[in-house]
Amino acid sequence: EDQVTQSPEALRLQEGESSSLNCSYTVSGLRGLFWYRQDPGKGPEFLFTLYSAGEEKEKERLKATLTKKESFLHITAPKPEDSATYLCAAYNAGNNRKLIWGLGTSLAVNP
Amino acid sequence: DAGVIQSPRHEVTEMGQEVTLRCKPISGHDYLFWYRQTMMRGLELLIYFNNNVPIDDSGMPEDRFSAKMPNASFSTLKIQPSEPRDSAVYFCASSFEEGYEQYFGPGTRLTVT
Repeated sequence: EDQVTQSPEALRLQEGESSSLNCSYTVSGLRGLFWYRQDPGKGPEFLFTLYSAGEEKEKERLKATLTKKESFLHITAPKPEDSATYLCAAYNAGNNRKLIWGLGTSLAVNP
Repeated sequence: DAGVIQSPRHEVTEMGQEVTLRCKPISGHDYLFWYRQTMMRGLELLIYFNNNVPIDDSGMPEDRFSAKMPNASFSTLKIQPSEPRDSAVYFCASSFEEGYEQYFGPGTRLTVT
């Protein structure tokens, strides 16, 4: 069964304390791994798409990487405004074409 | 572009009442998705459309739920009759092509008492 698991469920960091969020997936026919950011009371906001193992993408303090089994979202020197829930989703291009979503990691960055 | 537009933003209704949620996708996007989000189950895909045609409605929980897309710029999700367990945040999203990034609206927070 297609599945996406994110860890940890919650993470609290001090400002400037770098860390990584994990997204493990078991999806047949993977054709894209997506990262989103969701602020309270808002819809998910698209961050990155990764298509193949070894691919990396960066945006400000965020860098996403992909292997054949998992993806990481690295946060370098985070700021309080990086506090949000980060969601990952894997696109199954097989018979049951849809995005398989993880439950997210809730990140809090303290000043 | 204004992004995906949803209305209403909040809906409080009594059990048994009909609820209609509305969505305007981003212009030029051929795919429209309806999701439900809860703390326990996260984001669940309910149904999606391609060029106004429903493609996969396997996520619609019961016959009480129905969705329509009469044209490229408008879709509705209807719950009739509503039940307390339908309380959740409902999101509409659209994308340019299948498998591409989806852009989400602000959501409708539904509370059924």
